[in-house]
Amino acid sequence: EPEVTQTPSHQVTQMGQEVILRCVPISNHLYFYWYRQILGQKVEFLVSFYNNEISEKSEIFDDQFSVERPDGSNFTLKIRSTKLEDSAMYFCASSGGQTPYEQYFGPGTRLTVT
Amino acid sequence: SQKIEQNSEALNIQEGKTATLTCNYTNYSPAYLQWYRQDPGRGPVFLLLIRENEKEKRKERLKVTFDTTLKQSLFHITASQPADSATYLCALVMNTGFQKLVFGTGTRLLVSP
Repeated sequence: EPEVTQTPSHQVTQMGQEVILRCVPISNHLYFYWYRQILGQKVEFLVSFYNNEISEKSEIFDDQFSVERPDGSNFTLKIRSTKLEDSAMYFCASSGGQTPYEQYFGPGTRLTVT
Repeated sequence: SQKIEQNSEALNIQEGKTATLTCNYTNYSPAYLQWYRQDPGRGPVFLLLIRENEKEKRKERLKVTFDTTLKQSLFHITASQPADSATYLCALVMNTGFQKLVFGTGTRLLVSP
């Protein structure tokens, strides 16, 4: 069964450094998303991406964040200058195909900013 | 303000019983509502979707109801098993936007043998 994959599973970085989180969505999906979950809190929407552009973003998704689909398979989230409060699980999701309203999540990348 | 509320306390039930989880929302007008399962350290897994014009949806041992007047959804797991132990998340999708999911905080279900 097709699944969303994410790399790395765990990333440790120092405050102020740039990180890139990578995702490979399900191949016939057209909508892509990033969410984050701070430990013990709810899953929060960051951004959605369709047709090679951002379709919606939350207040969390400020100028420090960017997304890109550099080729036909990868979908990346970049944080330019990480802060301590960026420490969280970051989940990529995709939807489309025959079930466009069901979102399929990856296993997540745990980002730890020290 | 907008809220999605799920029981913050864990729900403990015995194997074989029916688990019922509640999702209440205020100041939202969702086009549809979804339920996800989340295991510790893992991503949410899609379970069921119900549209605003549907009252009930079933899938194997799972049943979801959706009452837009009460602004409430109930999620039932019949004949529960210890393997059903997980956190269950309710998520709303609004009429506008590109299917952004707005999640509740989730309810942890513990099924004892």
